[in-house]
Amino acid sequence: AQSVTQLGSHVSVSEGALVLLRCNYSSSVPPYLFWYVQYPNQGLQLLLKYTSAATLVKGINGFEAEFKKSETSFHLTKPSAHMSDAAEYFCAVSLPVTGGGNKLTFGTGTQLKVEL
Amino acid sequence: DTGVSQDPRHKITKRGQNVTFRCDPISEHNRLYWYRQTLGQGPEFLTYFQNEAQLEKSRLLSDRFSAERPKGSFSTLEIQRTEQGDSAMYLCASSPRQNTEAFFGQGTRLTVV
Repeated sequence: AQSVTQLGSHVSVSEGALVLLRCNYSSSVPPYLFWYVQYPNQGLQLLLKYTSAATLVKGINGFEAEFKKSETSFHLTKPSAHMSDAAEYFCAVSLPVTGGGNKLTFGTGTQLKVEL
Repeated sequence: DTGVSQDPRHKITKRGQNVTFRCDPISEHNRLYWYRQTLGQGPEFLTYFQNEAQLEKSRLLSDRFSAERPKGSFSTLEIQRTEQGDSAMYLCASSPRQNTEAFFGQGTRLTVV
């Protein structure tokens, strides 16, 4: 079985500061990893995904994440926060199985607050 | 491509009533998923369809819940005899093939009073 742990349910940064949202995973096989963003009362939008290619993954809106197998981590970063980045962020894992679905297991989310 | 569409966006119902939600996936996406998200939590997997076949159901999907995808296109999720604990956001997602990312709809927020 797979699981995801997001450290820090709330993170607050100043506009222009580095954003770092932490995600650690547990999986019996090499996983696929995803970061999604959710704005209030909206669905989830994919920011980026890792599917066993390059370990440094670049996504939309200037976000990127690095897959570190030795640390079982997939932390999300952005060099300079913008007010529009304020939202909830979810890390998710799925197992690449032949013939199977892409069932996602999500973390509990990190609420990002961006202050002036 | 208009994305995944869910209807209604909001539903308020009295305890004990039945409710039905609809999801229209992105056209030609043969995989469709339902998730439930309660306040302050990440989405939890409920069930998965490949075309019209329901291939996996979570233990979260009690006997009061039923999902269908009769023609392999849109899907419905019905909750019978709703309980207050059913209050949540119900999210639908679709994907074109295995091992690709899922695209989510905006969800249906259910409030049971």
